[in-house]
Amino acid sequence: AQSVTQLGSHVSVSEGALVLLRCNYSSSVPPYLFWYVQYPNQGLQLLLKYTSAATLVKGINGFEAEFKKSETSFHLTKPSAHMSDAAEYFCAVNTGTASKLTFGTGTRLQVTL
Amino acid sequence: EAGVAQSPRYKIIEKRQSVAFWCNPISGHATLYWYQQILGQGPKLLIQFQNNGVVDDSQLPKDRFSAERLKGVDSTLKIQPAKLEDSAVYLCASSVQGGYGYTFGSGTRLTVV
Repeated sequence: AQSVTQLGSHVSVSEGALVLLRCNYSSSVPPYLFWYVQYPNQGLQLLLKYTSAATLVKGINGFEAEFKKSETSFHLTKPSAHMSDAAEYFCAVNTGTASKLTFGTGTRLQVTL
Repeated sequence: EAGVAQSPRYKIIEKRQSVAFWCNPISGHATLYWYQQILGQGPKLLIQFQNNGVVDDSQLPKDRFSAERLKGVDSTLKIQPAKLEDSAVYLCASSVQGGYGYTFGSGTRLTVV
């Protein structure tokens, strides 16, 4: 079985501040981990993915995430928030190619001036 | 490359009516998924197809939901009869065989009144 837990359903940061969105996973086999972003009334867009290569993964729009096996974590960060980053972010896990993704409940990121 | 196409974008129906959603995946993507995203929650897998065969439909409410994928390309998801709790966004996604992560469509927002 696999699952992800996203800590904090809402996160608010000032423009230019560090963004940190937390994700912890549970998996009985080595996981593959993903972060998706969802803008209002749109589908999910892949930000980045960890597939057992480098533990520090860089994605689009300046986001990155670090896989920490000892902490079972895959937190998403961005050094400087921009207003356009305001959206819903989902962490997800699967256990192999073309296998089902299990999503967390999401974190809504608000960026203020 | 064209994305995953879904239609309609929005649908409002009365409870006990029937409704159908259509998905056209990215050309060459063997695996197709239907996810249900209830407001405030992460997406949940309803059904997964590999070509035109069902891989996983364990979370599909089979008494009212049905899905098919003709000729391993387009797919249709049907609900009959609809209940109020079926109000959600229905997301279609596809992936290459052996690929990590998916490409999602923009979804169909269903409101059952």
